[in-house]
Amino acid sequence: GAVVSQHPSWVICKSGTSVKIECRSLDFQATTMFWYRQFPKQSLMLMATSNEGSKATYEQGVEKDKFLINHASLTLSTLTVTSAHPEDSSFYICSARSPGLLGAQHFGDGTRLSIL
Amino acid sequence: AQSVTQLGSHVSVSEGALVLLRCNYSSSVPPYLFWYVQYPNQGLQLLLKYTSAATLVKGINGFEAEFKKSETSFHLTKPSAHMSDAAEYFCALSLFGNEKLTFGTGTRLTIIP
Repeated sequence: GAVVSQHPSWVICKSGTSVKIECRSLDFQATTMFWYRQFPKQSLMLMATSNEGSKATYEQGVEKDKFLINHASLTLSTLTVTSAHPEDSSFYICSARSPGLLGAQHFGDGTRLSIL
Repeated sequence: AQSVTQLGSHVSVSEGALVLLRCNYSSSVPPYLFWYVQYPNQGLQLLLKYTSAATLVKGINGFEAEFKKSETSFHLTKPSAHMSDAAEYFCALSLFGNEKLTFGTGTRLTIIP
């Protein structure tokens, strides 16, 4: 149980385009999902907390207009990198918190984004 | 503010030897603690979690961790390393009422044949 699916797993696109990444909880409902960014050989950096039916909460230093988050249902959150540039190239990982007071975060397999 | 420190960014052990990955935390209130494993180009998989029940927590793949409040530690161990254990391991912390995870910097485990 507690499977999180992230799509696409790899995307290469030209500078200036927008890229949408989907994060789905397959076998549970997730009122809260999280988006992380991971640079090579480094730890995960929390970008934002996505709450179903409300606006996302962004961490300090993360551009809200650059990284658009939508959490329209209890099983789907999307991250759109708008007008992507080479410096946005990174590994993006989502997670969803399983229900219950002591629910753990379960992670997707990540999306490798490469901007040319 | 809370923090997680993982001592040793790289650990190498021989196949069949004991695995010990160190994690120390700092928190003003009792934390929840987690160990995650990450294989190349993949997300994180939960190995085990401590949520204030038993201090010795058993996880998947033969791993276990012991919560020691007096030492503010939550070290991960496995009696006998297997080649498939080679990966990046992250210790993480969260606080009751706050769902955010604070991650350590990770430890890369290499298994020597």
